[in-house]
Amino acid sequence: EAAVTQSPRSKVAVTGGKVTLSCHQTNNHDYMYWYRQDTGHGLRLIHYSYVADSTEKGDIPDGYKASRPSQENFSLILELASLSQTAVYFCASKPGLGSYEQYFGPGTRLTVL
Amino acid sequence: GDQVEQSPSALSLHEGTDSALRCNFTTTMRSVQWFRQNSRGSLISLFYLASGTKENGRLKSAFDSKERRYSTLHIRDAQLEDSGTYFCAAEAGGGSGNKLIFGTGTLLSVKP
Repeated sequence: EAAVTQSPRSKVAVTGGKVTLSCHQTNNHDYMYWYRQDTGHGLRLIHYSYVADSTEKGDIPDGYKASRPSQENFSLILELASLSQTAVYFCASKPGLGSYEQYFGPGTRLTVL
Repeated sequence: GDQVEQSPSALSLHEGTDSALRCNFTTTMRSVQWFRQNSRGSLISLFYLASGTKENGRLKSAFDSKERRYSTLHIRDAQLEDSGTYFCAAEAGGGSGNKLIFGTGTLLSVKP
């Protein structure tokens, strides 16, 4: 069974502070994704990566940076957290570029005050 | 951009009844995944389909193999534990690393 873990599971941050969300997968998957979910809505893609040391912008990248230091790890960085970034963040992975199921982590609930 | 239209937005069922959820896509999609989000917020993967149908217990999903522009999730003999929010997500292919495009969800409430 594919395994994607996220840390922390929840976090409270102050406006203007730096936040780092971490994702770790043990699936040996090439592709990793960061999505955000706002209350009452579906998920939207922030950043993704298909190889270590490289990241790509998704649909809503503004205010976020991503880092892929290794195949297993993918981080989402909020340099200056804002109230509008309060959301639940999900990480996902999949094997490669072809059509494959994406495996999701449990999510991180971020509250910016 | 590519869109996923999910219906209904909310659904109330009595135990033992059947129903169906539907997702329409504004363009041809490569695959579809269905999820249930529980009260803790976790996404539980129900089905992944690149074509055809899949069945798991009381749940059955289908992906239109010809036009590839809609998918359905059928719930048979609904139980209380089926309550939650159901999302479909479609893979468009091409740019953005084959991202998933999510529908806005169906809030399902199963009542005794």
